[in-house]
Amino acid sequence: GAVVSQHPSWVICKSGTSVKIECRSLDFQATTMFWYRQFPKQSLMLMATSNEGSKATYEQGVEKDKFLINHASLTLSTLTVTSAHPEDSSFYICSAGGRGLDTEAFFGQGTRLTVV
Amino acid sequence: GQQLNQSPQSMFIQEGEDVSMNCTSSSIFNTWLWYKQDPGEGPVLLIALYKAGELTSNGRLTAQFGITRKDSFLNISASIPSDVGIYFCAGQLGYGGSQGNLIFGKGTKLSVKP
Repeated sequence: GAVVSQHPSWVICKSGTSVKIECRSLDFQATTMFWYRQFPKQSLMLMATSNEGSKATYEQGVEKDKFLINHASLTLSTLTVTSAHPEDSSFYICSAGGRGLDTEAFFGQGTRLTVV
Repeated sequence: GQQLNQSPQSMFIQEGEDVSMNCTSSSIFNTWLWYKQDPGEGPVLLIALYKAGELTSNGRLTAQFGITRKDSFLNISASIPSDVGIYFCAGQLGYGGSQGNLIFGKGTKLSVKP
């Protein structure tokens, strides 16, 4: 299947700082990228959807000024957690989808964020 | 909003046994997907289903898209230790990765005893 690379795989940051997570589609053009958050022992919850060149669409309850999403190219989307707090500690996962009926979204390997 | 009910929440089985898990929805989906997630990793797509009634296999895995489009099941035959992980079903209104986000079930945690 297609390859989606997420970086970093884990990060520890101090409370109040900002963290950027990258999601890259390595072998296809990702017209849409999705960002999910997963708390321990829970399912994936969609945070936002971004289409290349457009503003991201955020799910209800997700602060767009806190979770900045940029999808400037067909191969890269970034999620920046601004002014991180301990409650933002979670597993963040991106998925990328391309054109075509048979092109399902593929997931990155996830980023474990710990805010101390 | 749309919700998926996935059951069972966890299973603890002997190696070699068959496994069955299912998802039901209050809404219709046009695509059903089954993923496996290992600890600290992103989900990996196992099987994708696009048509009501479709039965698809991937090695020891078999999944079906329910006729009503509101349910799907996943079977694993002759389980082995590496089947351990969390299995998620996901429903999608559209087709393909660009057509809409996924609604995930809560997952089924599978443990296999050698």
